[in-house]
Amino acid sequence: LAKITQPISMDSYEGQEVNITCSHNNIATNDYITWYQQFPSQGPRFIIQGYKTKVTNEVASLFIPADRKSSTLSLPRVSLSDTAVYYCLVVINNAGNMLTFGGGTRLMVKP
Amino acid sequence: EAGVAQSPRYKIIEKRQSVAFWCNPISGHATLYWYQQILGQGPKLLIQFQNNGVVDDSQLPKDRFSAERLKGVDSTLKIQPAKLEDSAVYLCASSLAVQGQAYGYTFGSGTRLTVV
Repeated sequence: LAKITQPISMDSYEGQEVNITCSHNNIATNDYITWYQQFPSQGPRFIIQGYKTKVTNEVASLFIPADRKSSTLSLPRVSLSDTAVYYCLVVINNAGNMLTFGGGTRLMVKP
Repeated sequence: EAGVAQSPRYKIIEKRQSVAFWCNPISGHATLYWYQQILGQGPKLLIQFQNNGVVDDSQLPKDRFSAERLKGVDSTLKIQPAKLEDSAVYLCASSLAVQGQAYGYTFGSGTRLTVV
């Protein structure tokens, strides 16, 4: 299993860009990097997934360097409603798609 | 598309009592998961079903936890007897189980269990 390390918490202000970096040093060749968002009293919600280079959707961007040992979730112009816990996960491609969650990063967006 | 339904939303029981949680996954999702999320921690997988068969239950405390998925659709998770440390949110998720495609996962809102 890839060992995942991400900051426990981060603070930001409305309108700023937030970058959350995750390290996954022993990621396997077929593994994907996935980010989930969780609000209080709700289940986690998929944000974005990538294998290498850059992926962008309407919510976020995901930057993955060539060695794939880390990844950075970028949230453009955050708002108060982006206050949540963000989980970096490695999808184990050969284990029935099981998701293994770490402790996540608690993002607090301030006005 | 309807989401993953879970009930009850909240449950308070005394230790040593029994409790059951119910989950109805998204129609057509073959894979169903139960996760336990203790306050302040990330979700931990308890059991994974593929249709009505168990794929992984290595982290399920089988002396007190049981789960079934009859007919490959709805699932129930039971705790008997409950302990104080079982207080947590129990999340159900389902997916199409396409290799490497994690965006196929959908989580329910969970059942918050308090054992007193």
